[in-house]
Amino acid sequence: DGGITQSPKYLFRKEGQNVTLSCEQNLNHDAMYWYRQDPGQGLRLIYYSQIVNDFQKGDIAEGYSVSREKKESFPLTVTSAQKNPTAFYLCASSKSDWNYNEQFFGPGTRLTVL
Amino acid sequence: RKEVEQDPGPFNVPEGATVAFNCTYSNSASQSFFWYRQDCRKEPKLLMSVYSSGNEDGRFTAQLNRASQYISLLIRDSKLSDSATYLCVVNRAAGNKLTFGGGTRVLVKP
Repeated sequence: DGGITQSPKYLFRKEGQNVTLSCEQNLNHDAMYWYRQDPGQGLRLIYYSQIVNDFQKGDIAEGYSVSREKKESFPLTVTSAQKNPTAFYLCASSKSDWNYNEQFFGPGTRLTVL
Repeated sequence: RKEVEQDPGPFNVPEGATVAFNCTYSNSASQSFFWYRQDCRKEPKLLMSVYSSGNEDGRFTAQLNRASQYISLLIRDSKLSDSATYLCVVNRAAGNKLTFGGGTRVLVKP
């Protein structure tokens, strides 16, 4: 079964701690994306990657970091510098960085900072 | 002005009725348009792409009006299972980065 997996589903963190969210896809997609969603709001782009070993900042990259060492994997680290990290984090992938290519989402990680 | 704007609703719809709602976008260079469906506390899932000529998928019809920069979604014969938040999604001029609207909540009631 092809798809995108994210882990963990729920994550609790103490203030001041870094935490890494996992995202894996076996769809052979080139591009991968990280979004955050706050209650009642739309998705906002954190980082994206069009190809292995390359990534770009999205609209709200401050306090986050990513890596893209493998085509299948695009982990997101939420650092202690992120002022308000409690949110629903969604990873997505698409075939390539062309127009008209839909993005497909993983089930998300719900992060709560205590 | 937000890049993509939607009426947040909720639209309360009797089962079997028709509901329609719009989404406006500000970037006239946008080329790709989508409707995604998001259930409570779940990930968004692609409902349909929106083509220039308009397109239909079963009970769902999407329209694009480039002159007025809006897209619409119409749901006919509403089912209880259609209750969800519908996200309007527009690509940005460069690459495949997408901008998401805040969503329109639809509640179908018996």
